[in-house]
Amino acid sequence: GAVVSQHPSWVICKSGTSVKIECRSLDFQATTMFWYRQFPKQSLMLMATSNEGSKATYEQGVEKDKFLINHASLTLSTLTVTSAHPEDSSFYICSAIQGAPATGELFFGEGSRLTVL
Amino acid sequence: QKEVEQNSGPLSVPEGAIASLNCTYSDRGSQSFFWYRQYSGKSPELIMFIYSNGDKEDGRFTAQLNKASQYVSLLIRDSQPSDSATYLCAGGAGGYNKLIFGAGTRLAVHP
Repeated sequence: GAVVSQHPSWVICKSGTSVKIECRSLDFQATTMFWYRQFPKQSLMLMATSNEGSKATYEQGVEKDKFLINHASLTLSTLTVTSAHPEDSSFYICSAIQGAPATGELFFGEGSRLTVL
Repeated sequence: QKEVEQNSGPLSVPEGAIASLNCTYSDRGSQSFFWYRQYSGKSPELIMFIYSNGDKEDGRFTAQLNKASQYVSLLIRDSQPSDSATYLCAGGAGGYNKLIFGAGTRLAVHP
């Protein structure tokens, strides 16, 4: 099946720094990508929908200035956690749709575990 | 508030038994439903999707959908220890767009 790659797979940073996570669709073009966060033993929470060439659509309660999303090409979306704090520590997962949103197939990245000290 | 509810478990079944995982959803506009399996520390992987009322079978897995009762289930026949994982139920208005995930049910299959 199609492959979605995330980088880095894990990162540790100091409080107050910014961290960028990349999500790449390796063998298909994805006009739509999604970013989720997952706390231990909890489900995936959709943070935002990333659309190539336009602004991301954020879910209610997600600070767009805190979590910057850039979908600059059909194969790359980035999530930047700005001024990270310990409560931002989480597992961040991206997904991308191969094909049309309603009829395509969704593939997940491997996830990126962020630990903020 | 659109919600997808699952029993967190753990659901413990012996090897070879049938595991039954259940899910309810609140949004009557949901049309597509998905079951994902997630191993600890890994990203989810799709097991099955179902759009129509009734049963859908794929190998050892059977998904069941009852839109009137807003209920989705996943049956795993001949459960194997390798099936031990967290199973996430997800629903959406159409296709994979903006899926709402349940918290997941942890399944433990013991030899």
